[in-house]
Parts: sequence; structure tokens; C-alpha cells
Amino acid sequence: DSGVTQTPKHLITATGQRVTLRCSPRSGDLSVYWYQQSLDQGLQFLIQYYNGEERAKGNILERFSAQQFPDLHSELNLSSLELGDSALYFCASSARDDPYYEQYFGPGTRLTVT
Amino acid sequence: AQSVAQPEDQVNVAEGNPLTVKCTYSVSGNPYLFWYVQYPNRGLQFLLKYITGDNLVKGSYGFEAEFNKSQTSFHLKKPSALVSDSALYFCAVRDMGAGNNRKLIWGLGTSLAVNP
Repeated sequence: DSGVTQTPKHLITATGQRVTLRCSPRSGDLSVYWYQQSLDQGLQFLIQYYNGEERAKGNILERFSAQQFPDLHSELNLSSLELGDSALYFCASSARDDPYYEQYFGPGTRLTVT
Repeated sequence: AQSVAQPEDQVNVAEGNPLTVKCTYSVSGNPYLFWYVQYPNRGLQFLLKYITGDNLVKGSYGFEAEFNKSQTSFHLKKPSALVSDSALYFCAVRDMGAGNNRKLIWGLGTSLAVNP
């Protein structure tokens, strides 16, 4: 158990809908990373927050947004969902803001868009 | 731009035999390289990293990786494979993006199957 929690574990929704994925980092970790894992594109870094501020950005679509709250949990919002958004979404946490430091991954949220 | 490649989608090895999972990279400057492992239905776990110093890096679960600057490679190795090592292995390199946009660039992963 990495200490990172993600809810929900599974999510099934229809195209055009909006969903929110939640992540609670390990106790004491200030960084949260969001990743998308799909069969065709592998593991894609989406976005990173550190102590409430956006720190790094990857291949995140404009339909997606995230934030980190004062209690350090983070939410990833996915809107106008398309079939291609079906994937595993992981969050990871780390003590510091540089990806040089070990990232601890949660169990993931499996999103299915029908 | 930084990039990393894992040339093998799948590696099969018999239990007790040595294993190698390959990774090559392309960076400007000194590379920071990482290996993570993903067991079935789990999130990724850190195995080891190379920053500087000794070219042979030791990590978790008996794994090690050899950094080779001339061949721009960072292959993951284990002297004696276990069935429980069967998993998806990811190589990554740190991308020093513009400003503070530092992130890891990930390979597509190599599926390791250890046969009893």
C-alpha cells in the first residue's frame, strides 16, 4: 500500500458527460501528479501540483482541469467526455516538487466512457 | 527534446535465469533516469534511479540497472528471475522543460513474463 488513495475505483459514464476523480496524497507529501494510462498511448503525464500551485504541465487536454486544495488532496475534472478518454487515471504523490524524487502511485481510477 | 525508448514490448524468461529489460534514452545534458514497475491491477512502484556516480545502480527487489553513456542505455537487470517479477516495467527520463516545467518522460513499458 503506497498510502495514496484514489476514488472512485471504477467509473462508467456516457460521452459528453463530466466526471471528477479524487486523489489523497501520502501524509506529508506536497506534490500530486496526474497520469493517464491507455493501451495505445502508454503512460502520459497530465499535470502536477505542488502545495496548491500548478507546477508542471504535460499532455493535458483543454477539456481536462485539475486543482489541489488546502488540505493537499487533488481533483481531476474531465468534461465533454469522448470514447477515447477511456483509460486508467493514476495520481502519484511526492515529498518535493521535482520528479527526481520518488513518486508514490495510487491504485488508479478506471474510467469507461460509453 | 528528451525521449526514452523501450525497444521490446515483451520479454520472456525462465525462472532462475538472468533477465534484462532494455531502455535507451536521448537527452541534452546529463540524464536523470528511472525505472518503475507496475504489478497487475496496481499503481506503479519506484525501483531505482540514476543521477550520477557509479554506473551500476542497485534498487528494490534485487534489481539493478547499468548506465552506459556511450550507448545511451539504462538497462534493467536481475541475476535470477522470479515468477513474482512478472509485471510491466517502465523506464523514464527527467525532462528539464522550460522554466519550472520539469517532468518525467516515460517509455511505453515492457511486459516481463517469468515462466516457472
